Amino acid sequence: NAGVMQNPRHLVRRRGQEARLRCSPMKGHSHVYWYRQLPEEGLKFMVYLQKENIIDESGMPKERFSAEFPKEGPSILRIQQVVRGDSAAYFCASSPARDFYNEQFFGPGTRLTVL
Amino acid sequence: ILNVEQSPQSLHVQEGDSTNFTCSFPSSNFYALHWYRWETAKSPEALFVMTLNGDEKKKGRISATLNTKEGYSYLYIKGSQPEDSATYLCASPAGSGAGSYQLTFGKGTKLSVIP
Repeated sequence: NAGVMQNPRHLVRRRGQEARLRCSPMKGHSHVYWYRQLPEEGLKFMVYLQKENIIDESGMPKERFSAEFPKEGPSILRIQQVVRGDSAAYFCASSPARDFYNEQFFGPGTRLTVL
Repeated sequence: ILNVEQSPQSLHVQEGDSTNFTCSFPSSNFYALHWYRWETAKSPEALFVMTLNGDEKKKGRISATLNTKEGYSYLYIKGSQPEDSATYLCASPAGSGAGSYQLTFGKGTKLSVIP
């Protein structure tokens, strides 16, 4: 059973470009969470999605950031018009159910560098 | 906003020593406490999910206790080995009336085991 997959692992963008980060959850998991780790900071929640629905996006910046989890295919975190402050490691996690007691399985992360 | 604190920030121990570190969290509206182990260049890996006051969980040489009334959890490692070197994260679901399942993470305790 493959774990959570993220790609690309490293992404370099120039200011103003778009960044697309992909996450394929573990087989059988329909709940996806995105977290961001800024330099010298801990993991911070961004958004929680279930298939075709955004459940909680309270941690996501209001502008330039969007996320989706379509019926088919991976979850996508999209950052438009990237700025240097977006440079961070972005982690995706998945779980099989919606409750407080299931562990979340993390992917290896995408390290975004904005030049 | 949920505040999860971990101490110490970093720890160096000799191989064979036993060690422990602390996670503190608000005792009100408690749902669960997660411990993760995060090795450099790898994904965070779940160790324990704890829910009940007085819970004790064990996995090999690693164990954890939970006190929900006073809002803390301890992680213990018995007879530390170099392969235990990692950052240990604790996290708690934010929880709300709407059911927020996002995890709020502490900044972690970075453990280095010296051979």
